[in-house]
Amino acid sequence: KQEVTQIPAALSVPEGENLVLNCSFTDSAIYNLQWFRQDPGKGLTSLLLIQSSQREQTSGRLNASLDKSSGRSTLYIAASQPGDSATYLCAVRTGANSKLTFGKGITLSVRP
Amino acid sequence: NAGVTQTPKFQVLKTGQSMTLQCAQDMNHEYMSWYRQDPGMGLRLIHYSVGAGITDQGEVPNGYNVSRSTTEDFPLRLLSAAPSQTSVYFCASSYRGGGGTDTQYFGPGTRLTVL
Repeated sequence: KQEVTQIPAALSVPEGENLVLNCSFTDSAIYNLQWFRQDPGKGLTSLLLIQSSQREQTSGRLNASLDKSSGRSTLYIAASQPGDSATYLCAVRTGANSKLTFGKGITLSVRP
Repeated sequence: NAGVTQTPKFQVLKTGQSMTLQCAQDMNHEYMSWYRQDPGMGLRLIHYSVGAGITDQGEVPNGYNVSRSTTEDFPLRLLSAAPSQTSVYFCASSYRGGGGTDTQYFGPGTRLTVL
């Protein structure tokens, strides 16, 4: 059974800092991995999707990497801003048409 | 495109009542799913559908029914509400059931309280 872990559960950093959010998964035979952002009281917004054949994806100040062999993904946020404050979740899919397995998320607070 | 829409946004039920949570998408996505999100439990899959007329159970299906008569709509029915079903419910959709390039889109959620 696939399990996804995100540690720590919460993180507080000063504005401007570069930071890394970690995600680990137990079954390395994944189909793809997605990073989501969730603002309080809102739904999830997809940030980046990495296919199993890819090593990384970039969007603006965000960069997500994938190392299947070690069962890890990282989300790198450059020059963090207070507007980046939210909960970040990663989710893996182990096959086409299979369900997404979510981590419990990391709640990020960026202090002005 | 409106994306994934959910109604209602908030709902309060009494134990034993039934209701239907509505979900619709206008992106012609084949794959739709329902999740519940609870503090400390994360997101858990209730039911999903890979196309019109096809549904299947997720991790926590008990107490819920679904049907998929059209590509656009995927309603979730609570048969007899229980306090344990107090949660935030999210509907999601993607094209082609999650192939290598498919992004999962989520609705804004329905906050349900069962008294």
